[in-house]
Amino acid sequence: QKEVEQNSGPLSVPEGAIASLNCTYSDRVSQSFFWYRQYSGKSPELIMSIYSNGDKEDGRFTAQLNKASQYVSLLIRDSQPSDSATYLCAVIYNFNKFYFGSGTKLNVKP
Amino acid sequence: DAGVIQSPRHEVTEMGQEVTLRCKPISGHDYLFWYRQTMMRGLELLIYFNNNVPIDDSGMPEDRFSAKMPNASFSTLKIQPSEPRDSAVYFCASSPPLMRNTEAFFGQGTRLTVV
Repeated sequence: QKEVEQNSGPLSVPEGAIASLNCTYSDRVSQSFFWYRQYSGKSPELIMSIYSNGDKEDGRFTAQLNKASQYVSLLIRDSQPSDSATYLCAVIYNFNKFYFGSGTKLNVKP
Repeated sequence: DAGVIQSPRHEVTEMGQEVTLRCKPISGHDYLFWYRQTMMRGLELLIYFNNNVPIDDSGMPEDRFSAKMPNASFSTLKIQPSEPRDSAVYFCASSPPLMRNTEAFFGQGTRLTVV
């Protein structure tokens, strides 16, 4: 079983809509969770991190964590074509392993 | 700091040849990770080091792959002999000690093509 699972997509949303990206993880001792964005041909870059159950908002982005259900999600409000990219969920296990999901490709249509 | 530096950016080699990928982490970072990214398998963790010591190499696909970190500022990933299925983008990333708010910083990647 993969440590971090994501739907590969692509997820297509119209400009201005809310994009919802989901991620599940297998290890209950996971402590830190991250969302990275990767544009085609580029390296991943950090968007948000979250450690506690609940929501964390940063501009148009909201990360949601539910440790009991072992999932973390990312909501992008007012989606823009420039948000079109692959979004990678990452988890730190036991403070020593940094695992990434395979990523979900998001297409925002003008 | 210039960030994580990888070289070369692109590598084309013939099957059976040895390939060496290089990485310079951000100064002061204790952790260094090597990842491989393909369309089929996504971003896979190959191996990671803590303070120059290999901690977990369970992601290394087979004995043809080896990685070293002789000092805190340099690491190599070697493939010998290379095969077409090794074609992928290889990323190196580094991070400070892994605590709650740690972020992994990625290099620009090396696109490897084995023909």
